Amino acid sequence: DTEVTQTPKHLVMGMTNKKSLKCEQHMGHRAMYWYKQKAKKPPELMFVYSYEKLSINESVPSRFSPECPNSSLLNLHLHALQPEDSALYLCASSRDRTASTDTQYFGPGTRLTVL
Amino acid sequence: AQSVSQHNHHVILSEAASLELGCNYSYGGTVNLFWYVQYPGQHLQLLLKYFSGDPLVKGIKGFEAEFIKSKFSFNLRKPSVQWSDTAEYFCAVNLSGTYKYIFGTGTRLKVLA
Repeated sequence: DTEVTQTPKHLVMGMTNKKSLKCEQHMGHRAMYWYKQKAKKPPELMFVYSYEKLSINESVPSRFSPECPNSSLLNLHLHALQPEDSALYLCASSRDRTASTDTQYFGPGTRLTVL
Repeated sequence: AQSVSQHNHHVILSEAASLELGCNYSYGGTVNLFWYVQYPGQHLQLLLKYFSGDPLVKGIKGFEAEFIKSKFSFNLRKPSVQWSDTAEYFCAVNLSGTYKYIFGTGTRLKVLA
């Protein structure tokens, strides 16, 4: 199984809502990533978890809160977002972030619209 | 700052034509290099990668890429494209030994049947 799943596929939320994005993989990977991709732009790294611990936060605003409850799951909690946060949010996993030759496996993404 | 450039934003080819997509990066240290593809309605998936050894690497579906260190380039090639190669192609650079992945802006390829 080389699949990374993400739910929901689409999400529309208001600026005062609280919602969560979910990512799951069963490949035994110990590194998991959140990326943000705006239209016609490349994916931009947001967070990296390694062995369920937050390793990297690329200066992401606190209205985005990641969580890694176990080695297979990665959540992204959203609160008080702005319309400019509307984007495709991609999750990826790899065997181990320290082995940077590892392939990242990407999920299909969650398309988020903030009204 | 490190960056990855893909000069061709949109490419239109007829079937059987040859393809070359450019990728240049700016970083003086050791890098690992990737090409990812995103077919319509599908997620990003790896085409090929280079991290050491033979600078000419072969990937899936007949794609290959050549790392030219002196030119900071990692161009993607395919001798004869097919309609099914219609997709968006991203070059990505990983700064060796780090988590840091930087993606290029992507090239949208359309192959006419």
